[in-house]
Amino acid sequence: AQKITQTQPGMFVQEKEAVTLDCTYDTSDQSYGLFWYKQPSSGEMIFLIYQGSYDEQNATEGRYSLNFQKARKSANLVISASQLGDSAMYFCAMREVPGTYKYIFGTGTRLKVLA
Amino acid sequence: DVKVTQSSRYLVKRTGEKVFLECVQDMDHENMFWYRQDPGLGLRLIYFSYDVKMKEKGDIPEGYSVSREKKERFSLILESASTNQTSMYLCASTSLWEYEGDTQYFGPGTRLTVL
Repeated sequence: AQKITQTQPGMFVQEKEAVTLDCTYDTSDQSYGLFWYKQPSSGEMIFLIYQGSYDEQNATEGRYSLNFQKARKSANLVISASQLGDSAMYFCAMREVPGTYKYIFGTGTRLKVLA
Repeated sequence: DVKVTQSSRYLVKRTGEKVFLECVQDMDHENMFWYRQDPGLGLRLIYFSYDVKMKEKGDIPEGYSVSREKKERFSLILESASTNQTSMYLCASTSLWEYEGDTQYFGPGTRLTVL
């Protein structure tokens, strides 16, 4: 069965430092997409970054990058130069295609950036 | 700009009441979703709709029903609210699901408390 595992319930990072949030996934499909979302205390889920299973390059979006290791089935989020506003819950998610509407979410990692 | 709105940010109801949670998207998206979010459990899919009047059960449909009479509106109904339905409810929408990189757009969430 498809599954997303986030093993870090909570993390701390010093402002301006980089942090890696772990995500491993389990799927038997060849075609899938991996997403990271940020959820501030306000509650809204914000899309951060996407990686396709056939993409050879790691995805990057500003200070966010996705460290995609297909053989290990991992899709870790790296946030560089952390800011206080990065304090939030972070969710890793996966979507398999074709033929399914389902997005599978991990349990999340709560990140706290320290001044 | 993409927008998903939910009728209430906070809602308090009594056990046994019928509860309606409304979600509206302005992106002309075909697909709409209702999730429930609980600490340590991530997001769990309650129901999904891929077209007007069409719906499919997600992972935890028990105790819930949905209605989609118009493309832009997707309602979640708790027929007889119970205390174990106290949770954060998130609505999301997305366009075509054949492309694995199609991210979901989320509403701000409704925090429901059932007393």
